[in-house]
Amino acid sequence: DIQMTQSPSSLSAFVGDRVTITCRASQSMSSYLNWYQQKPGKAPNLLIYGASSLISGVPSRFSGSASGTDFTLTITSLQPEDFATYYCQQSYSPPYTFGQGTKLESK
Amino acid sequence: QVQLQESGPGLVKPSETLSLTCTVSGGSISGFYWSWIRQSPGKGLEWIGYIYYNGNTNYNPSLQSRVAISVDTSKNQFSLKLSSVTSADTAVYFCARHYYDDAFDVWGQGTVVSVSS
Repeated sequence: DIQMTQSPSSLSAFVGDRVTITCRASQSMSSYLNWYQQKPGKAPNLLIYGASSLISGVPSRFSGSASGTDFTLTITSLQPEDFATYYCQQSYSPPYTFGQGTKLESK
Repeated sequence: QVQLQESGPGLVKPSETLSLTCTVSGGSISGFYWSWIRQSPGKGLEWIGYIYYNGNTNYNPSLQSRVAISVDTSKNQFSLKLSSVTSADTAVYFCARHYYDDAFDVWGQGTVVSVSS
């Protein structure tokens, strides 16, 4: 199985801040990395697929990038509605696996 | 737009079989892959397995001996059976549709399943 190590596990930030969340894969997996946002009591919501392709309707302040086995989700100019938990997921090969999540909280 | 809805018992006894159904509305089940995913505080998000509309399946090896996913295209539904459940199977169970690169673009709201006597 491909292990996904996500960091940090939690993060405090102000509205307007720029934040970065990282996922490291245990092996090479091209760009088969997806990012989700989850709010309490809700299902995860797909933000980015293929490491950097933004889903239609997702604000452009969200972006994703890749460098080898390291993947990054960046949120520029944080908005109040962005405080949530974020997960990465590899879809390079089954079993598909998720990172442990990053809880983004308001400072 | 496409919506998914999970249904099934919220309480299952240990050693019995968990059975859930996902109903697809607003679109066809045909032409897509469909997955079951669960989430528990202890194990986070865990992919259980997927089914293609033609019935082809792929299961997580960690659950493979206990899992069966089936599809009924006439009802626009797919189903999950997980046998010999224990308390470790207590979780929120989601159904989801595969998108490009096997990302999951449409999710059900999730259903809580507790394993307890």
